[in-house]
Amino acid sequence: DIQLTQSPSSLSASVGDRVTIACRASQSISSYLCWYQKKPGKAPRLLVYFASSLQSGVPSRFSGSGSGTDFTLTISNLQPEDFATYYCQQSYTTAWTFGQGTTLEIK
Amino acid sequence: QVQLQESGAGLVKPSGTLSLTCTVSGGSISSNKWWGWVRQSPGKGLEWIGEMYPSRSSNYNPSLESRVTISEDMSKNQFSLKLTSVTAADTAVYYCARELDHISFDLWGQGILVTVAS
Repeated sequence: DIQLTQSPSSLSASVGDRVTIACRASQSISSYLCWYQKKPGKAPRLLVYFASSLQSGVPSRFSGSGSGTDFTLTISNLQPEDFATYYCQQSYTTAWTFGQGTTLEIK
Repeated sequence: QVQLQESGAGLVKPSGTLSLTCTVSGGSISSNKWWGWVRQSPGKGLEWIGEMYPSRSSNYNPSLESRVTISEDMSKNQFSLKLTSVTAADTAVYYCARELDHISFDLWGQGILVTVAS
């Protein structure tokens, strides 16, 4: 299985800040990496697919980058609704896997 | 627009079989899409269970493969999840979802909590 390791596991930030979440794969996954936002009691929401393509309807303050084994999700100008848990997920192999999640909290 | 809705038993006894159905409305499951299941145990992260392409193929999480089956009922526009020999570790919120280009999930059901307990 391909393991995805996210860092940090949690972080605190303020409205208006810019934050970056990292996701490292245990082997190269080309660009087969996407990012989700998860809030308690809600279904996950796709933010970015194929490493850097923004899903329709997602605000442009979200952006993704990377390829191979190292990827990042950046959120600029944090808004109150952005405080949530974020997961990366790979689809390079037929057995998809998720990262362990990064919780973004209000400072 | 396309919507997904999970249904099934919310309480399953240990060693029993978990059975869930995902009903797709506003679109057809035979619309050249893959469909899948994801779960989240209490206090844990997301776990991919598996996926299927109607009448063609399915793939499963290796850690669950011996116990899981995902299948479709085209006449009802539904797909289903069966997980056998369940234990407390299978207690989770289960989500059905549609895939975007077979690389991510772009549309999700609201989720259904399944508790394994006697």
